[in-house]
This record gives sequence, C-alpha cells and structure tokens, in this order.
Amino acid sequence: DTGVSQDPRHKITKRGQNVTFRCDPISEHNRLYWYRQTLGQGPEFLTYFQNEAQLEKSRLLSDRFSAERPKGSFSTLEIQRTEQGDSAMYLCASKGNTEAFFGQGTRLTVV
Amino acid sequence: AQSVTQPDIHITVSEGASLELRCNYSYGATPYLFWYVQSPGQGLQLLLKYFSGDTLVQGIKGFEAEFKRSQSSFNLRKPSVHWSDAAEYFCAVVHGSSNTGKLIFGQGTTLQVKP
Repeated sequence: DTGVSQDPRHKITKRGQNVTFRCDPISEHNRLYWYRQTLGQGPEFLTYFQNEAQLEKSRLLSDRFSAERPKGSFSTLEIQRTEQGDSAMYLCASKGNTEAFFGQGTRLTVV
Repeated sequence: AQSVTQPDIHITVSEGASLELRCNYSYGATPYLFWYVQSPGQGLQLLLKYFSGDTLVQGIKGFEAEFKRSQSSFNLRKPSVHWSDAAEYFCAVVHGSSNTGKLIFGQGTTLQVKP
C-alpha cells in the first residue's frame, strides 16, 4: 500500500455546480478524516469516520457538504451548489493506532 | 478551547544555518504533539511526534523537537538547513476532549532557504 490517495488532484468548477472528491485510505486504517485548508492557513477539521460511521462533523460542514464512507473503505466528499468561498485544498487523512497519514489533497477552484 | 500558535508566519535562513520553528499549544493535560511539513501543492508529511516519555524527539530529515511542559512549547529544530527544507511547517495537537484523534493545527510557518 502506497499511502492515502485522493482523486482528483485538481478541480475547477463553476459556481453552483456540484463536485465530488474521493479518498482511498491506507487499507488497515479504520479512522478517516477530511480537512479543509485555505491559503495561508493550517488545515481545519471537517468530519471523521470510524469504519463506515460518521461520528463527528464540524460546524464548518454546512448542509451543502456531505461525506460518506460506504463499507468502511474509501470515502467521498460532495459539495453541492458550490460557492467561491469553497475554493480550498481538501485533505483526507487516515489513522491506525498512532499518527494520521495525509493524502496529497484535492485543490478546488470555484470560478 | 484548545489551540496551537505558531508565532512566526515566515522565516528565512541561509543554507547550512541552524533552524528553530516555534510552536505553543493550549491544552490542560499532556498533549499528543506533531510537526508536519507541506511542500507547495502537496499534502502533509509527518516529521515527528510526541506522545510521552523522552521530551526530545527525533524525526525524519534530521529534524528534532523538544516538548517543554512549563512553557507549553514544542519547538522544531534542525542544526543545518538544506535548500530542500524550504516548505511550510505545521505544528498540531490531537484534540483532547473527544476521542476522535482529530488534529488542531497552527497557522503554519513558511521557511525560505537562502543559498
């Protein structure tokens, strides 16, 4: 296993469109996280899964955002009716017993 | 509320010089602390972590960090910086009041290395 992978790496979309990102975690990790990082800032927590259960969501996650992790494997993050303020890097991380490992992120640009 | 502060937004050092990046945290109990590095357009790579025990921890790429409870600090150091160390560095702490393992990050410090 080569680590956490995210797809796509870059996405440009028009305001009002829906977008979906995918994260494939390290296979033996049961914990999966989504973070959002805007320019010049550190990553901010969005949501957390343990296996297939979504156990915590940040206030940052408006009702336009939804995340799933069917079967406790890969995860998707969907943003509906995108706004320019959604432009950011979306990072996925998975965690086993110790530290979290991050993917390379999906850079979203809303025009 | 828990927080992480990295006082230096931007630091420039000459190649071969020593480096110290500052990190202060706010947390009542013993924290789990991390330093991550991020190259432009990339994800985060773990440099080192502190959970317990020896307060001086060694990481990858020649980095080390020292946990000082009395100062609520976890500063990152490197004796001799290489040009390839130019990147953004983030200090993070595991959020303590939930059992999720989610991380709280500082704002980051951008390191520039002069030839």
